[in-house]
Amino acid sequence: GENVEQHPSTLSVQEGDSAVIKCTYSDSASNYFPWYKQELGKGPQLIIDIRSNVGEKKDQRIAVTLNKTAKHFSLHITETQPEDSAVYFCAASMEGVRGGADGLTFGKGTHLIIQP
Amino acid sequence: GAVVSQHPSWVICKSGTSVKIECRSLDFQATTMFWYRQFPKQSLMLMATSNEGSKATYEQGVEKDKFLINHASLTLSTLTVTSAHPEDSSFYICSAGGWGEQYFGPGTRLTVT
Repeated sequence: GENVEQHPSTLSVQEGDSAVIKCTYSDSASNYFPWYKQELGKGPQLIIDIRSNVGEKKDQRIAVTLNKTAKHFSLHITETQPEDSAVYFCAASMEGVRGGADGLTFGKGTHLIIQP
Repeated sequence: GAVVSQHPSWVICKSGTSVKIECRSLDFQATTMFWYRQFPKQSLMLMATSNEGSKATYEQGVEKDKFLINHASLTLSTLTVTSAHPEDSSFYICSAGGWGEQYFGPGTRLTVT
């Protein structure tokens, strides 16, 4: 099955600086890569996603890049703010391979700390 | 994004009893819902895929007789933890969506004493 590795496990950056979280996946058939933000005691919130036919996607301060050849994808957050502090998870799935949605395989998470 | 709710948000039960958790998609119909489990400071692990009108598909290592899933309608899936034990204490989260995008519920904290 799919295996997703995520680094770093903890990332501390100064407010206003950029943060980068990286993930690799093992199954070349995976074609959907979302990123989730989870605050303590809450469910994950989808913040951005990318499909394998696209190399980069941006939404305001958040961007995701995908390198299919190397099987890795990254989350970039610019101009970080205190409210960005949370645990971030990357995930992968094979969208539509079995005729519909597939469950997600998650990375282990990155605890992002924004220092004021 | 789509809204998914869960009930209850937290529950405490005694060892040996059963607990039912509900997952509802509030503003869309979901033919497929997913159940995940998350232990403290760990990642989410897929437990099973819930398909409306048919049997759930369980991931390897998840006991289907212990974690009963029912997806009776396009907006409701339930997870019943039968004969719960302390090691079943965890954060249970459902999600719904289609063609990749999944929206998660707020989670249910289960504590078995």
